[in-house]
Amino acid sequence: GQQVMQIPQYQHVQEGEDFTTYCNSSTTLSNIQWYKQRPGGHPVFLIQLVKSGEVKKQKRLTFQFGEAKKNSSLHITATQTTDVGTYFCAGPPTLTGGGNKLTFGTGTQLKVEL
Amino acid sequence: GAGVSQSPSNKVTEKGKDVELRCDPISGHTALYWYRQSLGQGLEFLIYFQGNSAPDKSGLPSDRFSAERTGGSVSTLTIQRTQQEDSAVYLCASSLLTYSEQFFGPGTRLTVL
Repeated sequence: GQQVMQIPQYQHVQEGEDFTTYCNSSTTLSNIQWYKQRPGGHPVFLIQLVKSGEVKKQKRLTFQFGEAKKNSSLHITATQTTDVGTYFCAGPPTLTGGGNKLTFGTGTQLKVEL
Repeated sequence: GAGVSQSPSNKVTEKGKDVELRCDPISGHTALYWYRQSLGQGLEFLIYFQGNSAPDKSGLPSDRFSAERTGGSVSTLTIQRTQQEDSAVYLCASSLLTYSEQFFGPGTRLTVL
């Protein structure tokens, strides 16, 4: 079945440093979604990318969808303590043989130190 | 309500007891997912309902776990003969369509003593 891996699993940064998490799928994705889960909270949808090579920005967050639609990245510029949490990517496969449900990545836990 | 709701928010039970967890999705959402999340871990897929189709049960860890969705709305996850390793937060999510964004409920924290 479809597998979605994220690296790194954990990242500690100093406030103000940049952060990037990478998402890699074993199958081609029809779209990629990103979610953020604050400590003690539940995942909250951030954004969805659909097109090959698409780039979207939300303030200090930049999201990219790979040309082959099998990978994605989330980059945060100048991290703040409010960025703390776990970031998950998620995507459904394009081929029905890989299943038709959204599969979540393994997640990257971000800690920001003052 | 405006969002996905789950009940109870916390459940403490004794090993061997059965528990039922409830999820009320957003009205009109056709897809409903159940996930399990242990402390500091990722989201473990359990089961997925889409409209009137047969549910995808491929993530259920054992036959002690079952779920149903009545009338295409409310869903109940049942765990029979609970074990200590069942302790986790159980999250429910719904989405308008299969591939659209998921809205998560606050979760049910299950503790098996």
